[in-house]
Amino acid sequence: EIVLTQSPATLSLSPGDRATLSCGASQSVTNSHLAWYQQKPGLAPRLLIYDASTRATGIPDRFSGSGSGTDFTLTISRLEPEDFAVYYCQQYGNSLPYTFGQGTKVEIK
Amino acid sequence: QVQLQESGPGLVKPSKTLSLTCTVSGGSISPYYWSWIRQPPGKGLEWIGNFYYSETTNYNPSLKSRVTISVDMSKNQFSLKLTSVTAADTAVYYCARHEYRITISGVVTPLGMDVWGQGTTVTVSS
Repeated sequence: EIVLTQSPATLSLSPGDRATLSCGASQSVTNSHLAWYQQKPGLAPRLLIYDASTRATGIPDRFSGSGSGTDFTLTISRLEPEDFAVYYCQQYGNSLPYTFGQGTKVEIK
Repeated sequence: QVQLQESGPGLVKPSKTLSLTCTVSGGSISPYYWSWIRQPPGKGLEWIGNFYYSETTNYNPSLKSRVTISVDMSKNQFSLKLTSVTAADTAVYYCARHEYRITISGVVTPLGMDVWGQGTTVTVSS
């Protein structure tokens, strides 16, 4: 099983700041099959990025993903008020089971 | 626009079977992969398993001995059964659809999960 470790656990920032979230994998993720999701309280997760760097339909371009192998990053270039939420990475490569990171909470400073 | 709706009992007694259904509206089950995911209160996400049509079903090894995912194409529904539940199975259960890519060799490869149900809370308690 591939273990995903997200850092930091909490990120305290202000609107307009740049957010950089990390996701490290215990083994190489096949074909960069890594996704990022945003989750707000009481709601289902929302797909932001798949294949490490491809934005999902309707996702603003302030969200970008990068990385390959075992190190991946989600960057939010300028935080909007609606971006304060919990973010999860997830791998869906050849290695089952699919696994999620433990999440990074982006909170208002 | 595809929508997913989970349904089933909100309370299940310990040692019994949890049964949930996901109804797909506004679209077809084929040619997508579909997953079940759960989230215990205040915790992160856990992938339970997925299926593709009725050809392929994959389960999380941590739950494999207790989980069955099945599909009813005629009703555009798929289901989750989890046996011998305990309090540790208390969670919000989500169904979700995977985006997909078709490889050069014609194989459908699941990608990220782009459509999710709203989730249904299941509590295991006597």
